[in-house]
Amino acid sequence: GAVVSQHPSRVICKSGTSVKIECRSLDFQATTMFWYRQFPKQSLMLMATSNEGSKATYEQGVEKDKFLINHASLTLSTLTVTSAHPEDSSFYICSAQRTGIDTGELFFGEGSRLTVL
Amino acid sequence: AQKITQTQPGMFVQEKEAVTLDCTYDTSDPSYGLFWYKQPSSGEMIFLIYQGSYDQQNATEGRYSLNFQKARKSANLVISASQLGDSAMYFCAMREGLNAGNMLTFGGGTRLMVKP
Repeated sequence: GAVVSQHPSRVICKSGTSVKIECRSLDFQATTMFWYRQFPKQSLMLMATSNEGSKATYEQGVEKDKFLINHASLTLSTLTVTSAHPEDSSFYICSAQRTGIDTGELFFGEGSRLTVL
Repeated sequence: AQKITQTQPGMFVQEKEAVTLDCTYDTSDPSYGLFWYKQPSSGEMIFLIYQGSYDQQNATEGRYSLNFQKARKSANLVISASQLGDSAMYFCAMREGLNAGNMLTFGGGTRLMVKP
């Protein structure tokens, strides 16, 4: 079946540094990928919708200059947390979907746990 | 208003028994899809089952079945013959419209604990 791969699965960084998280669809093309954030014991909150070849669409309250999203190819979207601070520590998870009519196929990456010291 | 509501923050079930996890939704779009995901402590989101708003029959996938009550706007997940490995967080989600490129909205989740 289709697989979405996220890397790195865990990252620890110092405050003020930038961290890049990759989301790859391994055996299908995804013109749309979604980035979610999940705080401990909470649900997934959509941060942004990443569209191949165009600017990402950010949800209200998400700083686009802090969470840079690049969807340069049909199989890769990246999320860069710039100038990370401890409050950015969270679980980030992406999903990639085939285009077209909704058939129920929806695939998530394994998630990336970011800890900012 | 919440689009997806899961009213049970935590539930216990005895091993080998069935359990129902509640989910209600709110949408004015006649076309939508409903999803259930399992999230173990590792964090990965495991797709369990999908129900389209136009599907005539309730979805089933192995031990998982979705009790779709369209008029009540509910999409409860039924897990039969619970196993210890079923202990995890369970999220209900909805996607409005028929385009697979539309976003998912998640409920708050239910933590299921299976007792031996």
